[in-house]
Amino acid sequence: SAVISQKPSRDICQRGTSLTIQCQVDSQVTMMFWYRQQPGQSLTLIATANQGSEATYESGFVIDKFPISRPNLTFSTLTVSNMSPEDSSIYLCSVLASQETQYFGPGTRLLVL
Amino acid sequence: AQSVTQLGSHVSVSEGALVLLRCNYSSSVPPYLFWYVQYPNQGLQLLLKYTTGATLVKGINGFEAEFKKSETSFHLTKPSAHMSDAAEYFCAVSDSGYSTLTFGKGTMLLVSP
Repeated sequence: SAVISQKPSRDICQRGTSLTIQCQVDSQVTMMFWYRQQPGQSLTLIATANQGSEATYESGFVIDKFPISRPNLTFSTLTVSNMSPEDSSIYLCSVLASQETQYFGPGTRLLVL
Repeated sequence: AQSVTQLGSHVSVSEGALVLLRCNYSSSVPPYLFWYVQYPNQGLQLLLKYTTGATLVKGINGFEAEFKKSETSFHLTKPSAHMSDAAEYFCAVSDSGYSTLTFGKGTMLLVSP
């Protein structure tokens, strides 16, 4: 398995501002992912964070709104830009570790006022 | 495209009773199937997974699931519920060990004394 940490664990932000969420894993991994879990909903994949290249975004998510960095094999950031109350969600990063399994971080709980 | 259907957004059982959480999937290729659990204010924890081989898989905390290809199902069971099992359970599918996950909407398990 992999041990994943996220910062911040939660935040309350004003609309129009941006928040950067960090994801750190304790071992080098090839694939890292970012998911959104809106209140009472399931997880939706935002993008795959690729090391050394641009992230691959899912339909409905764009780089201008959710820029992602992946500077090395253990770290990634997701920025939620120009936030609105609709962005209030839990944001989770995950990694594909050994044995073809995704492991998830604890999540960042975001409330936008 | 893959999809996952979890029957029942909420399931209530008494402590000591059988737990059965239903999951049906659709996939054009042999699926990889997963069950994750999310405790309040936490991230997702892997319960168990099916990739290949034995169709009955055992996971943590006494849970198990059976892959039934003919029924396109991967139902989660536990013989005797504990209060600590109260959480939200997500079924997920991928078409390989290296591709993204598609999640069901989740089932909240409620355990009463």
